[in-house]
Amino acid sequence: SQTIHQWPATLVQPVGSPLSLECTVEGTSNPNLYWYRQAAGRGLQLLFYSVGIGQISSEVPQNLSASRPQDRQFILSSKKLLLSDSGFYLCAWSVRTGGRAEQYFGPGTRLTVT
Amino acid sequence: GEDVEQSLFLSVREGDSSVINCTYTDSSSTYLYWYKQEPGAGLQLLTYIFSNMDMKQDQRLTVLLNKKDKHLSLRIADTQTGDSAIYFCAETFSGGYQKVTFGTGTKLQVIP
Repeated sequence: SQTIHQWPATLVQPVGSPLSLECTVEGTSNPNLYWYRQAAGRGLQLLFYSVGIGQISSEVPQNLSASRPQDRQFILSSKKLLLSDSGFYLCAWSVRTGGRAEQYFGPGTRLTVT
Repeated sequence: GEDVEQSLFLSVREGDSSVINCTYTDSSSTYLYWYKQEPGAGLQLLTYIFSNMDMKQDQRLTVLLNKKDKHLSLRIADTQTGDSAIYFCAETFSGGYQKVTFGTGTKLQVIP
């Protein structure tokens, strides 16, 4: 069965510090991978998606970046955090199945920038 | 363009039925989904419906799709306190990279 892991679960970082959030998927090959941010427990904002190793597309310009060094590893980074980067970060994966493309989410990382 | 909207909040009494509504604008959607998010957790896929269907039932869950009006609903029968969560509808389209457009989320509060 497939599983998706995210760490850390919670993080408190000062403004201007760097960030690295990691997401790994097990039990599937060549998944599409996604990073979302959710503010105040509401809607999801798609930040990045990746259809393969080294292939990253950005949906929203900002001071965050993403990388996919391995097939099932997706990393969200920042060189200098802003207060507005606080939120709940969710990683997800999907594989197209006969036209369906449901996404499966990790447990999330709660980031607080102070 | 893609736009998926939901009412923000719904409160029901335990044992009653809940109906969560969703409207979307893009008629080219192929599949529509309902996700559940419990506090502090990721989203969990509940069910999906293909766009050429108008109803799907899965135990206590009934999904109704009115493609003409671009309206999707999720009915939860015999609502329990464990159903309290935020519910998101979502849609995907043919082609592309499997982008999913999520609704704004409806917070369901179940009163004991």
